Amino acid sequence: NAGVMQNPRHLVRRRGQEARLRCSPMKGHSHVYWYRQLPEEGLKFMVYLQKENIIDESGMPKERFSAEFPKEGPSILRIQQVVRGDSAAYFCASSGTSGVGGTQYFGPGTRLTVL
Amino acid sequence: AQSVTQPDIHITVSEGASLELRCNYSYGATPYLFWYVQSPGQGLQLLLKYFSGDTLVQGIKGFEAEFKRSQSSFNLRKPSVHWSDAAEYFCAVGSMDSNYQLIWGAGTKLIIKP
Repeated sequence: NAGVMQNPRHLVRRRGQEARLRCSPMKGHSHVYWYRQLPEEGLKFMVYLQKENIIDESGMPKERFSAEFPKEGPSILRIQQVVRGDSAAYFCASSGTSGVGGTQYFGPGTRLTVL
Repeated sequence: AQSVTQPDIHITVSEGASLELRCNYSYGATPYLFWYVQSPGQGLQLLLKYFSGDTLVQGIKGFEAEFKRSQSSFNLRKPSVHWSDAAEYFCAVGSMDSNYQLIWGAGTKLIIKP
């Protein structure tokens, strides 16, 4: 049973470009979470999605960031017009059940570098 | 405000020595507590979690943690560390009220001396 998969593992963008980060949850998991990790800091919650629904996006910046989890295919975190401050590691996690009791399984992350 | 504090940014221990990593939290509701480990360039792996019951919880890789409500702490311990334990360790807290959002500490980087 494959774990959570994220691609690309490393992404380099120039300021103003778009970044698309993909996350395939574990088989059978319908809950996806995105986190951002800045250097020397812990993870910060960004968004929680279930299939075709955004449940909570309270951690997402109001502009330039969006997320989706379509009925078919991976979850996508999209960052438009990237700026240097977007450089970070972005982690996706999935769980089989909702609630804090549902253990979140993490992918290896995508490390975004904005030049 | 809800927060998780890991006071030690780095800890260095000799291989075979015992380990304790500290975690303190400030949380209004009954906390659910987690320890995750992150190896370089990798994602996070759950070591153990506490929801209720016995305050001493056992995890994978020989780790254990003790929940002390009076001290708002959830320290991670291992009696004898191995070189493969070198990684970064994160403490996180959530609750039934938060449903799924976890508040994370900044992490403690564990360095193992041969």
